[in-house]
Amino acid sequence: KNEVEQSPQNLTAQEGEFITINCSYSVGISALHWLQQHPGGGIVSLFMLSSGKKKHGRLIATINIQEKHSSLHITASHPRDSAVYICAAANTGNQFYFGTGTSLTVIP
Amino acid sequence: DAGVIQSPRHEVTEMGQEVTLRCKPISGHNSLFWYRQTMMRGLELLIYFNNNVPIDDSGMPEDRFSAKMPNASFSTLKIQPSEPRDSAVYFCASTPRTAVVTEAFFGQGTRLTVV
Repeated sequence: KNEVEQSPQNLTAQEGEFITINCSYSVGISALHWLQQHPGGGIVSLFMLSSGKKKHGRLIATINIQEKHSSLHITASHPRDSAVYICAAANTGNQFYFGTGTSLTVIP
Repeated sequence: DAGVIQSPRHEVTEMGQEVTLRCKPISGHNSLFWYRQTMMRGLELLIYFNNNVPIDDSGMPEDRFSAKMPNASFSTLKIQPSEPRDSAVYFCASTPRTAVVTEAFFGQGTRLTVV
């Protein structure tokens, strides 16, 4: 069993739609990270959160520590949001346990 | 700062050859991580260093893999001999502190193809 489970694995949306990607984890964590990986492979850190909610532009990340669950939301999705989104649970040593990623395609 | 720098970006080698991947972390970062990404297994931690010292190498697949960090600004991941199943993208990441959970900064990755 993976320590971090993401859903859905693949997601196709029309431009403008509201998107939600879910992440559940079974390990004890110090923080939950959301990463973005574009075609071409570079990985960028979007959010690091240990409680509550964070917002950056059209992206919102939430976490429920008790339920060991986090969500990444994208409002007013755009084709440039097309990427793989990866959830990663980090322990106190900054070791990451990765989800398998959600491949998002936003169609114009 | 230019971020985490990995080289080469792409490497194609024949089975049995030695491969060396290089990483320069962000200046001042204390921790360095090597990850491998494949279609089948996604991202996996191979090894990480704190203050140049290897802390956990349990993710290193086998003895053919070795990693070193001779100083705070440079690390290598070596595969000898390489095999086709080692084909993957290898990422290096660094973080600024060891005692506090922080954001990780990733390099652009090295795409390794072993034929």
